Amino acid sequence: GAVVSQHPSRVICKSGTSVKIECRSLDFQATTMFWYRQFPKQSLMLMATSNEGSKATYEQGVEKDKFLINHASLTLSTLTVTSAHPEDSSFYICSARDYGGGAGYGYTFGSGTRLTVV
Amino acid sequence: GESVGLHLPTLSVQEGDNSIINCAYSNSASDYFIWYKQESGKGPQFIIDIRSNMDKRQGQRVTVLLNKTVKHLSLQIAATQPGDSAVYFCAEQSRGSQGNLIFGKGTKLSVKP
Repeated sequence: GAVVSQHPSRVICKSGTSVKIECRSLDFQATTMFWYRQFPKQSLMLMATSNEGSKATYEQGVEKDKFLINHASLTLSTLTVTSAHPEDSSFYICSARDYGGGAGYGYTFGSGTRLTVV
Repeated sequence: GESVGLHLPTLSVQEGDNSIINCAYSNSASDYFIWYKQESGKGPQFIIDIRSNMDKRQGQRVTVLLNKTVKHLSLQIAATQPGDSAVYFCAEQSRGSQGNLIFGKGTKLSVKP
C-alpha cells in the first residue's frame, strides 16, 4: 500500500532557529499533501494544503511566513518552521493522497515529527 | 469543522466487550467520513470509511454507522482487545473542498485485560 515517510521523527531546536520537516510519498505521486499540527491530548488541526508546483493554501490563523511550505516535486513536501518559539512545540503530521485509490480514499499519513523548542 | 479540546474523552472497556465510539460532525456538506486509530507518538492509521450515501459499513471486527439527520457517526469495535487501546478520531471530507480532511475531537479507548 501507499507509504508516506516523514523526517525527522523528533527534533529539538533552540528558540529563534528554523527547522525543516520533510514528507515524502514513497511509492506514489502526490500532487496534494496536507500538513497538520497536534497539541497534546488534542485533535489534528489542518494547517495547510500543499500543491505541487504552486503556493500552499493556509488555514485561517496559520501564519504563512512562519510556516513555510514547499512542494517542489510530486513526491516531496517540506514544512519549515521559521524563528521557532516554545509555543511552536507540537507534533506535526503530514498526509498525502494517492489518487490511484487505496483504503481510506488514498489518504496516507506520515509517522509525525515531535518538535520541541527550548 | 475543526475541533479544539483540552482533554480527550475516555472510554474504558473490558477485554472482550464491544466498544462504541461516537463522533458528531458539523458540516452537512461533508460526503465522506473516515475513522482513524492513533497510537501514542504515531500518525493516524486508517480503520474504516463510509460515504454519505450509506448508513452502515462493516469491516473486520469494526462497523461504522452514519446518521446524517443528526450528523452523527459511530465506530463499533467487536470483542475489543488490548491492542485496540489508542485514540480514535473521525474525519470528514467536504464536497467541493480541496480534499482536505477535518478531524473530530477524538476519544481515548482504554482496554482493561
